[in-house]
Amino acid sequence: DAGITQSPRYKITETGRQVTLMCHQTWSHSYMFWYRQDLGHGLRLIYYSAAADITDKGEVPDGYVVSRSKTENFPLTLESATRSQTSVYFCASSRSTGGNQPQHFGDGTRLSIL
Amino acid sequence: DAKTTQPPSMDCAEGRAANLPCNHSTISGNEYVYWYRQIHSQGPQYIIHGLKNNETNEMASLIITEDRKSSTLILPHATLRDTAVYYCIVRSYTGTASKLTFGTGTRLQVTL
Repeated sequence: DAGITQSPRYKITETGRQVTLMCHQTWSHSYMFWYRQDLGHGLRLIYYSAAADITDKGEVPDGYVVSRSKTENFPLTLESATRSQTSVYFCASSRSTGGNQPQHFGDGTRLSIL
Repeated sequence: DAKTTQPPSMDCAEGRAANLPCNHSTISGNEYVYWYRQIHSQGPQYIIHGLKNNETNEMASLIITEDRKSSTLILPHATLRDTAVYYCIVRSYTGTASKLTFGTGTRLQVTL
């Protein structure tokens, strides 16, 4: 049971570069989410997706782009990375967004932007 | 989503039960209580959730008071691997894309 996997686990890049974080889940969950975790802010929702080709903004979407061409994949792209985007990024998935459906998280990508 | 209050830290001896309290006095009737934990450098791990009744699974038990204003997560036999930050979250069961709002949690330290 592979569950939800994120890649890479660690990434260092420079300001202005494009970087893509990958997320893959094997549960066929409809919903997928991207969060970032920073000291003093907890986890904040960046984008989410209800199904293939359906995405929507969370609370901190600026500077990020997402796509979902297949149910199992939900990549997050930083088109022109900035230092403020240095963070730990977590992907999650759930069967639905109903309160009775837990979200399950990957182990994260630790991204450093120099 | 309702706000939760948890103690910042707790200690527990290995093999003993760990009882982690959470106050959610403004919880609404349609909001579930969720518990997650985060072990250093890992993603948040789902533990358990409930609406009104007490719940038990292979990881833990969740006790919700009758007025639903507080709850307790019980790890029956804590081990060193249970050392983590534990988050209590209340979450509506309706609505679209209900994000999880993680507070500051309780840092549980399990010791020998």
